[in-house]
Amino acid sequence: ILNVEQSPQSLHVQEGDSTNFTCSFPSSNFYALHWYRWETAKSPEALFVMTLNGDEKKKGRISATLNTKEGYSYLYIKGSQPEDSATYLCAFMARGGEAAGNKLTFGGGTRVLVKP
Amino acid sequence: KAGVTQTPRYLIKTRGQQVTLSCSPISGHRSVSWYQQTPGQGLQFLFEYFSETQRNKGNFPGRFSGRQFSNSRSEMNVSTLELGDSALYLCASSLVTGTTDTQYFGPGTRLTVL
Repeated sequence: ILNVEQSPQSLHVQEGDSTNFTCSFPSSNFYALHWYRWETAKSPEALFVMTLNGDEKKKGRISATLNTKEGYSYLYIKGSQPEDSATYLCAFMARGGEAAGNKLTFGGGTRVLVKP
Repeated sequence: KAGVTQTPRYLIKTRGQQVTLSCSPISGHRSVSWYQQTPGQGLQFLFEYFSETQRNKGNFPGRFSGRQFSNSRSEMNVSTLELGDSALYLCASSLVTGTTDTQYFGPGTRLTVL
């Protein structure tokens, strides 16, 4: 059973502050790590698909790094805004090509609340 | 480009009934995956369909089944509903299977079993 963990479970951030949180995943059989942002009553929104050790990706004020050797990824939010309030999910994808398919194993999420 | 759509958005059923949920993927996408989200278990993989074939199945009882049509639309069926089946059911589509393509999620169907 794959274990994907996210910490913390929730955090409160003051508007304008920067924050980061962690996703831990198995370091063996790694293929890709997906990050999603999920706002209440909306569809989960794809942020990044990360594949290479040392990868850094950026989308606006949100960025992510990847360490496949030790099995973790960080997601950073710079200058948090109230619209960044959401649950951020990471999802592990194991190597296996078509045999493994598109199965994603999700972490429990980090719920971020940005206070004005 | 239209996103992933799911119907119905909300559903109320009673124990013992069966239910069918529908997912229409993004045009051109051939893979559809289904997930169950509950407060206690988070998002859990149910199964994936690609080119009308089930590619992968999660750890769910046989009451959960699905299919995919030639236009890539997918349905999932839950028979003999139990209270514990109350959940948000999400589907995700992508171009193909087994690659690092982005998977796009629909808004989900909220199923309540009474």
